[in-house]
Amino acid sequence: EAGVAQSPRYKIIEKRQSVAFWCNPISGHATLYWYQQILGQGPKLLIQFQNNGVVDDSQLPKDRFSAERLKGVDSTLKIQPAKLEDSAVYLCASSFPRGTEAFFGQGTRLTVV
Amino acid sequence: LAKTTQPISMDSYEGQEVNITCSHNNIATNDYITWYQQFPSQGPRFIIQGYKTKVTNEVASLFIPADRKSSTLSLPRVSLSDTAVYYCLVGGAIYNQGGKLIFGQGTELSVKP
Repeated sequence: EAGVAQSPRYKIIEKRQSVAFWCNPISGHATLYWYQQILGQGPKLLIQFQNNGVVDDSQLPKDRFSAERLKGVDSTLKIQPAKLEDSAVYLCASSFPRGTEAFFGQGTRLTVV
Repeated sequence: LAKTTQPISMDSYEGQEVNITCSHNNIATNDYITWYQQFPSQGPRFIIQGYKTKVTNEVASLFIPADRKSSTLSLPRVSLSDTAVYYCLVGGAIYNQGGKLIFGQGTELSVKP
């Protein structure tokens, strides 16, 4: 079974630039999550989708972060403009609507210089 | 959502049994207890989930006392490859719409030869 695919694996950008991350969840998984993990900390939930609707985006810095999930499958997370403190690993996860566990991708490591 | 508290770090030796305890004093009636494992440069991986008493799978056991205010993840006969960060999560089952995966700081387990 194919896992959660994320790209790119690594990205280095300058502050004030924009960046986008892509996630392809496991086939059939209706729930999709985006997390931000800063070095030494646990993952922080940014946004949760159920199909293409947003369930929770309370922790998403909406002045600079945006996310969409078109057609309830793939998702993109965008940062514009990036700040130094956005340097982190961005993790995507997905789960079945009636599943008991979420499956995570390997993440995208973002470095803002 | 119930707040969780777990030790920041633990050390063990190969072949020993490791028990990591998580406290969640304000757990709600509908909340489940879930543990994830994360290796460096990888996304978290589901280990085990339970609601009450004891749950066992091929990887670990989860002990939950009657008051459910704490839980203990038990890893039998650890090896070097069990060195990782272990997260305790408490929340609604994710198969309920709105069920969330909220990570805390986690416990960094170091297994030595």
